[in-house]
Amino acid sequence: GQSLEQPSEVTAVEGAIVQINCTYQTSGFYGLSWYQQHDGGAPTFLSYNGLDGLEETGRFSSFLSRSDSYGYLLLQELQMKDSASYFCAVPNTDKLIFGTGTRLQVFP
Amino acid sequence: DVKVTQSSRYLVKRTGEKVFLECVQDMDHENMFWYRQDPGLGLRLIYFSYDVKMKEKGDIPEGYSVSREKKERFSLILESASTNQTSMYLCASRIRPGLTYGYTFGSGTRLTVV
Repeated sequence: GQSLEQPSEVTAVEGAIVQINCTYQTSGFYGLSWYQQHDGGAPTFLSYNGLDGLEETGRFSSFLSRSDSYGYLLLQELQMKDSASYFCAVPNTDKLIFGTGTRLQVFP
Repeated sequence: DVKVTQSSRYLVKRTGEKVFLECVQDMDHENMFWYRQDPGLGLRLIYFSYDVKMKEKGDIPEGYSVSREKKERFSLILESASTNQTSMYLCASRIRPGLTYGYTFGSGTRLTVV
């Protein structure tokens, strides 16, 4: 089977840096994606890592280590609007398997 | 701007009713998906479709069926709604093949079965 583990909740203050970890167990591996979901909203695609290393997109970066079956999402210069749930996901052929999500609360 | 549109934002249905949830995408995507989202359980895949008239079971298909008669529309059907199907339902689509596996989601339908 396949499973992804994330912390259920993370808190931080504005301007800080936070890292959300994801460990996975999959029968095959085709990369790790991250999605953001604000309360009441739709999940939106943030990033995809197909190879090991760090991918940077503005204040957000995502890292993958295939040998460790591990990845993380790094959010820098946190803003109040970053308060949301963050999901890691792995593709299984044509479908995505999602983790249970990490709720990030940013405080002033 | 690309869009996935779900026909209803909120629905309240009675136990035993047949329920239709509609999803339309305007991106000419081949792949479409139905997930349900519950607190602490994340997003779980119910059904997905590779193309018109094609469907595949996801991880939790029991009690559901789907229909895809046109490429842009993917319907989720609850044959006989039950209270344990109270949930947020999310539709998504993706171009195939998608190198980044990025899905576009609809805003969701919050279904309450009473």
